[in-house]
Amino acid sequence: GNSVTQMEGPVTLSEEAFLTINCTYTATGYPSLFWYVQYPGEGLQLLLKATKADDKGSNKGFEATYRKETTSFHLEKGSVQVSDSAVYFCALAESGGYNKLIFGAGTRLAVHP
Amino acid sequence: DAMVIQNPRYQVTQFGKPVTLSCSQTLNHNVMYWYQQKSSQAPKLLFHYYDKDFNNEADTPDNFQSRRPNTSFCFLDIRSPGLGDAAMYLCATSRERGGALNEQFFGPGTRLTVL
Repeated sequence: GNSVTQMEGPVTLSEEAFLTINCTYTATGYPSLFWYVQYPGEGLQLLLKATKADDKGSNKGFEATYRKETTSFHLEKGSVQVSDSAVYFCALAESGGYNKLIFGAGTRLAVHP
Repeated sequence: DAMVIQNPRYQVTQFGKPVTLSCSQTLNHNVMYWYQQKSSQAPKLLFHYYDKDFNNEADTPDNFQSRRPNTSFCFLDIRSPGLGDAAMYLCATSRERGGALNEQFFGPGTRLTVL
């Protein structure tokens, strides 16, 4: 079945460091791909998305490119801030049907001053 | 602001005592979802409503039920909570189920504790 695999956390970085969180997926067809962020005590917020191969989603300095050849959607940010500390979830929505979201396990990011 | 609201944010119940969690939305979306998120795990879809049409995931236990009396409200009923049902329960909405309108908007969640 369809699945999403994320790098395990926690990821601990100093402020202004470069961030990469790896995400790979297994899916039939052509899923849409998402990154969601969950701040402490809150629900999930959509960070960015891409709906077809080679699309780049971007928001708040974060970027991810839909790579069909490597079935990947890695999240990157050039310079993280303390306020980026959160749990990041990679997810896919199956093509066809009702686009059920399938999440990865999440990666906790801690950014220190 | 249009949003997804969940009440209460924290709920404590006793083993076997029925409990109901509430979700409301001001987005006027057609689809409402309930997810279960256990500690340090990914959210797992329990079921969703498309308008009044209820759709259960195949592996959702019978202990979990849902009601959607109108467009704005959706309830999650746990008939006989067990210790394994302690989790964060997330409600989400989307305008439609497919295509470009499938972005899901999440509420803040209700954390359920079972004693």
